Amino acid sequence: EAGVVQSPRYKIIEKKQPVAFWCNPISGHNTLYWYLQNLGQGPELLIRYENEEAVDDSQLPKDRFSAERLKGVDSTLKIQPAELGDSAVYLCASSPDRAQNNEQFFGPGTRLTVL
Amino acid sequence: AQSVTQPDIHITVSEGASLELRCNYSYGATPYLFWYVQSPGQGLQLLLKYFSGDTLVQGIKGFEAEFKRSQSSFNLRKPSVHWSDAAEYFCAVRVSGGYNKLIFGAGTRLAVHP
Repeated sequence: EAGVVQSPRYKIIEKKQPVAFWCNPISGHNTLYWYLQNLGQGPELLIRYENEEAVDDSQLPKDRFSAERLKGVDSTLKIQPAELGDSAVYLCASSPDRAQNNEQFFGPGTRLTVL
Repeated sequence: AQSVTQPDIHITVSEGASLELRCNYSYGATPYLFWYVQSPGQGLQLLLKYFSGDTLVQGIKGFEAEFKRSQSSFNLRKPSVHWSDAAEYFCAVRVSGGYNKLIFGAGTRLAVHP
């Protein structure tokens, strides 16, 4: 069974440019998470989807970040415009549903460098 | 608020030596606790989890962890470390009412000497 797929794996852009990350969760997983991982830190939740509904986006900086999960499968996270401080790894994870004891399966992440 | 502290940023051990990675949590009720491992360029992989019951939890790759409520700790252990265990290790606690929302510690980077 394929795991969580993310692309691109690496992205280098100049500040003020837009950037988008794509995530394909494990087949059948209804819950999808986007995490931000700064260098030397643990992941921090940005947004969580139950199917196509964003049910927890309290940590998403909405002035420049947006996300969507059309049709409740793939998801895209966008930053516009990017700032130097956005350089980090963006992780996507999925779980079968929102049940509290379900394991979250993580993708390899997208490493963003903003110059 | 729930939080997780991993006091050791970096640990180095010799191959074959025993390992203990520390994790302390702040939580009002019985926590759900997790240990994840992240190899370079890879996503996080679940090593083990504690929800209830036996306080000594067995995981994959020969790891185990012990939940100690009196110390608010959930330390990860392995009796004999292999070179392939070199990675970053994250402890996490599930947030109450958060429907599987995880709070992660800052991680401990493990280096293994031959």
